[in-house]
Amino acid sequence: SQQGEEDPQALSIQEGENATMNCSYKTSINNLQWYRQNSGRGLVHLILIRSNEREKHSGRLRVTLDTSKKSSSLLITASRAADTASYFCATGDTGANSKLTFGKGITLSVRP
Amino acid sequence: DADVTQTPRNRITKTGKRIMLECSQTKGHDRMYWYRQDPGLGLRLIYYSFDVKDINKGEISDGYSVSRQAQAKFSLSLESAIPNQTALYFCATSELATQYFGPGTRLTVL
Repeated sequence: SQQGEEDPQALSIQEGENATMNCSYKTSINNLQWYRQNSGRGLVHLILIRSNEREKHSGRLRVTLDTSKKSSSLLITASRAADTASYFCATGDTGANSKLTFGKGITLSVRP
Repeated sequence: DADVTQTPRNRITKTGKRIMLECSQTKGHDRMYWYRQDPGLGLRLIYYSFDVKDINKGEISDGYSVSRQAQAKFSLSLESAIPNQTALYFCATSELATQYFGPGTRLTVL
């Protein structure tokens, strides 16, 4: 069963707008990560936030984590057509291993 | 990521056939993973290995087996393929928390 559940399932925005994607999870985590997948290709790591962190930035990406609500959000600012892809949140176990559990993904379309 | 390669990239096979998917990595990571991706279901973990002598079942290991031939190589086998194993298969590696994915193998079982 999936640990992370993304919302919305699909998002369509105009180039230049901001895109906000949300992820909720059920059990305690060590970290939460966001990955991107261009159509039919391998996933690419975007950003990782640890359970003791609340916000991280990387270029046009901003991720927040609220462990009390068991939720995270990924904000992409000033979106570009090249941001069109599927985005997945993945939660990392609290144990000694590095297993990830992926959500079902969000399809983002950025219209030029 | 060119550091993680998968062969073949595409494969069509028939029900009952044995098939092996191979993964190689040049990242020097000890940890390797096999996932399958189905439309609308995201990625699900099949098997993972934290070093050459360590093999662990994931969420959906039934019908699959793996072999960790070396630190750099991790193979996934379908002993007797069935149509519901049609999917996109990904190999990944990690040193710590972040995983690095191969380009995927698209498998079709007729």
